Amino acid sequence: ETGVTQTPRHLVMGMTNKKSLKCEQHLGHNAMYWYKQSAKKPLELMFVYNFKEQTENNSVPSRFSPECPNSSHLFLHLHTLQPEDSALYLCASSQDKGEGRTDTQYFGPGTRLTVL
Amino acid sequence: AQSVTQPDIHITVSEGASLELRCNYSYGATPYLFWYVQSPGQGLQLLLKYFSGDTLVQGIKGFEAEFKRSQSSFNLRKPSVHWSDAAEYFCAVGAIYNQGGKLIFGQGTELSVKP
Repeated sequence: ETGVTQTPRHLVMGMTNKKSLKCEQHLGHNAMYWYKQSAKKPLELMFVYNFKEQTENNSVPSRFSPECPNSSHLFLHLHTLQPEDSALYLCASSQDKGEGRTDTQYFGPGTRLTVL
Repeated sequence: AQSVTQPDIHITVSEGASLELRCNYSYGATPYLFWYVQSPGQGLQLLLKYFSGDTLVQGIKGFEAEFKRSQSSFNLRKPSVHWSDAAEYFCAVGAIYNQGGKLIFGQGTELSVKP
């Protein structure tokens, strides 16, 4: 595997379900991101992890719970979602160069989530 | 406020014609600038980026972009469009000394290519 991979690619869930999205990066990066892409809206940054520590939570509802067990893996745990949470969820990674500098973000293919 | 504006939501060009996609930004710090492309059902692929140096940058698939600081613009160009270029294009800006890796994205420009 190369680059950034995401599983599953498609997910349909009911509002009472609990599911998880997985992201894995094979680029040796130390920063990972979750984005939400809704139709006709700019990409919304949800969470940022640097060196496994969460450094950004962009006012995301608590029904979305991220987990970063190591620099290569990132999860997004989902529970009691709403239909308006249906979207493409994109994972990205980059190399944090320290001193506040960062490098290009590389994106995975995304998980298309539908909440019924 | 920090923002990226892509004025054209949808553009249609004929195959073989030239292309220019516009991007304007408002950003307080020295910017990093990016263009990404997204095919249907796919993630974002990096086309090119500007960090510093020559303001005309070359990217993949024959694309180029020019950074114009005085106009706060970073327009994407291609001299001859191919049918496979039909996709959605996103401009993004971040800080050279970044606040936690944040990128701000424009709303995207959808490109259609006529035969």
